[in-house]
Amino acid sequence: NAGVTQTPKFRVLKTGQSMTLLCAQDMNHEYMYWYRQDPGMGLRLIHYSVGEGTTAKGEVPDGYNVSRLKKQNFLLGLESAAPSQTSVYFCASSYREGNYHYGYTFGSGTRLTVV
Amino acid sequence: KNEVEQSPQNLTAQEGEFITINCSYSVGISALHWLQQHPGGGIVSLFMLSSGKKKHGRLIATINIQEKHSSLHITASHPRDSAVYICAANTGNQFYFGTGTSLTVIP
Repeated sequence: NAGVTQTPKFRVLKTGQSMTLLCAQDMNHEYMYWYRQDPGMGLRLIHYSVGEGTTAKGEVPDGYNVSRLKKQNFLLGLESAAPSQTSVYFCASSYREGNYHYGYTFGSGTRLTVV
Repeated sequence: KNEVEQSPQNLTAQEGEFITINCSYSVGISALHWLQQHPGGGIVSLFMLSSGKKKHGRLIATINIQEKHSSLHITASHPRDSAVYICAANTGNQFYFGTGTSLTVIP
């Protein structure tokens, strides 16, 4: 099925551990995004990419790094996890024509707990 | 400062009722997206609109660019419409999100 696939779906980390979240899309979308969702705060953009080999900071980038070595994959890394990074993480993708983003598609989310 | 504000935060309706969810934004946008987040957590895009009105089944979305306001209407609501509805303002490469409206439709 075409779409956005996130792995893993759940993870528990100890403070200071590192991990990588993988996002894969098979729709040939140029744009990919990583968001975090916290209660009462809505979705917030961590990093995004407008194409292979490019990344940019979003609203809450501190403590995270990303890479987009292949167009279909967007990786989110936590180098040294902190309890404040406990959240639900969503990856999304879209394509752009002019000023409009089409095909805005989300992954199913990764629930991360840092203890 | 919230670029996107939604109201109400929570909404309970009886099956069959007409529902309206409102979204106001303060940024200049190219388009406004409405998203639905299911109780299981998955998020799907319902509408993208830059002007006027769009309809899909029992869902209708409207936008007034001059007033920076959008509404999502659900006609003949059904318990399967129970979800969180999120509006997202698209500015260039980024999206700004409201905190969502949690809708519960009671049979």
